[in-house]
Amino acid sequence: DAKTTQPNSMESNEEEPVHLPCNHSTISGTDYIHWYRQLPSQGPEYVIHGLTSNVNNRMASLAIAEDRKSSTLILHRATLRDAAVYYCIPISSSNTGKLIFGQGTTLQVKP
Amino acid sequence: NAGVTQTPKFQVLKTGQSMTLQCAQDMNHNSMYWYRQDPGMGLRLIYYSASEGTTDKGEVPNGYNVSRLNKREFSLRLESAAPSQTSVYFCASSEASRAYNEQFFGPGTRLTVL
Repeated sequence: DAKTTQPNSMESNEEEPVHLPCNHSTISGTDYIHWYRQLPSQGPEYVIHGLTSNVNNRMASLAIAEDRKSSTLILHRATLRDAAVYYCIPISSSNTGKLIFGQGTTLQVKP
Repeated sequence: NAGVTQTPKFQVLKTGQSMTLQCAQDMNHNSMYWYRQDPGMGLRLIYYSASEGTTDKGEVPNGYNVSRLNKREFSLRLESAAPSQTSVYFCASSEASRAYNEQFFGPGTRLTVL
């Protein structure tokens, strides 16, 4: 499975966009890139995933670099509820969908 | 729909005691997973069940057993609890165990072993 590098922490102001980066330079061509987040004292929550193309859903957007060695999760307007640990997780098509969590990025949102 | 439910929410055990953590999902998912999360760490996979009738070890299976009771339920058993098993345990499920399937997590069971 591909290794990931994410900043330990980031800060944002409420109602401003947030760009959370992830480096996954060892990713293989068939690995999907998933993002999950974990709010304090809760279980992880799926955010978004993609393979090659950029993806949008009601929660966020995922921008995947052309060489797929990095990706960026974009929260268009941060709210206080978005304060969480964000995990970038490449998933190999051969690993039966098992999630391997790293340290993630702790996002603080200031009012 | 309740999604993924876990019981109990909290548990305190003494070293050597046994217990079973229960997990159920009502989304008709085929795959289910057990993770543990130690303080300040990411989740680690203990066991998973890709489909009813199958179970496989994850990253940290030692000291645990699992049972996929039916399609809905996946239990995790600690036969002889140790302080090193103090953790928060999360159950998850997904439609299938493919790389593009999202996982849905339960609220967790906070276990302390004295």
